[in-house]
Order: sequence, then C-alpha cells, then structure tokens
Amino acid sequence: DTAVSQTPKYLVTQMGNDKSIKCEQNLGHDTMYWYKQDSKKFLKIMFSYNNKELIINETVPNRFSPKSPDKAHLNLHINSLELGDSAVYFCASSQDPSEAFFGQGTRLTVV
Amino acid sequence: AQSVAQPEDQVNVAEGNPLTVKCTYSVSGNPYLFWYVQYPNRGLQFLLKYITGDNLVKGSYGFEAEFNKSQTSFHLKKPSALVSDSALYFCAVSLLGSGTYKYIFGTGTRLKVLA
Repeated sequence: DTAVSQTPKYLVTQMGNDKSIKCEQNLGHDTMYWYKQDSKKFLKIMFSYNNKELIINETVPNRFSPKSPDKAHLNLHINSLELGDSAVYFCASSQDPSEAFFGQGTRLTVV
Repeated sequence: AQSVAQPEDQVNVAEGNPLTVKCTYSVSGNPYLFWYVQYPNRGLQFLLKYITGDNLVKGSYGFEAEFNKSQTSFHLKKPSALVSDSALYFCAVSLLGSGTYKYIFGTGTRLKVLA
C-alpha cells in the first residue's frame, strides 16, 4: 500500500483553467503539507495542515486553496492557472517531529 | 532568517571512494535534522535523522551523518560510493512554530558517482 498517494501524476492544462490535485495518506499522521519544486529543483513549502486545521500558509497566491476534509486528505485547488505555476507539486505527511513521507509528485504543465 | 545551506550544487565521486555531501544550518533553538534522497521522477525518500543523542547517526543504504553543533553542520557521508547512489540529496531542518513543525529544505546537491 502506498503511504502517501497523490493524483494525478501528470497534469497538462491551459492557462486560465482551474485544476485540483488530490492527496491521501494512510499513515495516521496528524500533519500534511504541500510543497512546490521548481525547475531548479528548489523545494518550497506552501501549506501545512494539522488535524484539518491550516497552520502554515506561506506567501502563496490566493489562487491556491488547500482543503482538508479529514486528516487523511489534503487537496490543492488552483484557480486561473498561469504559466509560472508549472512545477512539480509534492504532498507529504508527518507525525511531528519525525520525518515526513512524500508522495510521488504531480507534474503540472501549464501551456 | 532561518535557513539551510548546501554549498555544493553537484558532487562527483568515483565508485568505491568515500563521499561527503555538506549541509549547514542557521536556525534558532535546537532543530531536528534530516537527509532525504530524490531519484529522477520520484518523491523524496527519508535517509536519516538527528533528534538527540549520539552525534553520528546511521541511516538507510549505508549512509551516515554527523551532527556538529559548534559548526552547525550535518554532513552526509558514506564510506564507499555506489553508482546507484547517484541522485539529488536534500538536507532539511524541522522547527517548531505555530503549534506544529515546519520543514525547511536546502537547495539540494546532485551526487554523481562515476563508474
């Protein structure tokens, strides 16, 4: 069983569209994250949720809205996609303060 | 500002030779320290961590890291490199803030092991 799974793995869409990426973890962790990895491989935290509550919200445009229906899921919805949103988005979970477990990533390409 | 530095974008080493991937950090308090590895088109995989205790920690695939508080470093090491170790390596610190832990990652170091 995959510990942290995210779908889809690849997403190609046009500018201006709205899209969602789903993430689920079956580890029973309290904390979930979204990270963005750009073309230079830099990893930057976007959001952190603890028991469905938003804890960390870095300087991310309002077009990005995370939603956590329960502590096993953290979805990322993106409105009005822009070319600069193209990146690999990683979901992760952890039981603080231990190591984080990462999903396989969603490669988003905005054309 | 709290940060993690990996001063080398790339490290090349011959197979069978020892390898070191450097990491230094600048944070307040006592951080938890981690190393992760990323293979092409994959997510990050946990290698090892330092929470407390012995400064030398051992992890997966024969890797180890030494925590040096005075130098605020946590360098990743392996006595004998394998071609299959070629990947992107990230150092990270975990800090408590706003009631939960936040991971700050270094910029990554690409390790290339030459046959």
